[in-house]
Amino acid sequence: EDQVTQSPEALRLQEGESSSLNCSYTVSGLRGLFWYRQDPGKGPEFLFTLYSAGEEKEKERLKATLTKKESFLHITAPKPEDSATYLCAVSFGTSYGKLTFGQGTILTVHP
Amino acid sequence: AAGVIQSPRHLIKEKRETATLKCYPIPRHDTVYWYQQGPGQDPQFLISFYEKMQSDKGSIPDRFSAQQFSDYHSELNMSSLELGDSALYFCASSSRGGQSNSPLHFGNGTRLTVT
Repeated sequence: EDQVTQSPEALRLQEGESSSLNCSYTVSGLRGLFWYRQDPGKGPEFLFTLYSAGEEKEKERLKATLTKKESFLHITAPKPEDSATYLCAVSFGTSYGKLTFGQGTILTVHP
Repeated sequence: AAGVIQSPRHLIKEKRETATLKCYPIPRHDTVYWYQQGPGQDPQFLISFYEKMQSDKGSIPDRFSAQQFSDYHSELNMSSLELGDSALYFCASSSRGGQSNSPLHFGNGTRLTVT
């Protein structure tokens, strides 16, 4: 069965305390793996797309990496404004825009 | 930069009523997607349209229908509403859906409450 699993479910960090979020997937024919950030009551905000194992992308304090079975979102020296739910999603097979999401990781960064 | 616009932002309906949700994609985006997100749940794909034709279908109830118009905006029509339809409904758009790796950009959603 095609699945996307994120861990941990929730993560509390002190400001400046770096950490990583995990997204593991079991799908056939991966077309893309996406990271989104979602604030309460708002739509997912696009962060990164990764297409092939070994690929890495960075944006400010965030860095996303991809292997054949999982992706990591590394957060370096987080700030309170990084607090949000981080969603991982994959597209596979013939459907590019039909995303299958993980349950998300709720990140809280304390000052 | 222009984003995906959804209306209304909030909608309250009673059971068995109908509702229409609207989505205006980012300019020059030709593909729209509808997702449903229940409380504490991850978004679930409902349906998508590319160049005004249905391109893919997910777990959309038969009571729901959708279409994309000539100006690329889309409407999700929901009939015989049930309490379980209460959720956030997101629209997303991309360019050349299915033919490129253009990422999906989401709107801020319509919160539907069925009482």
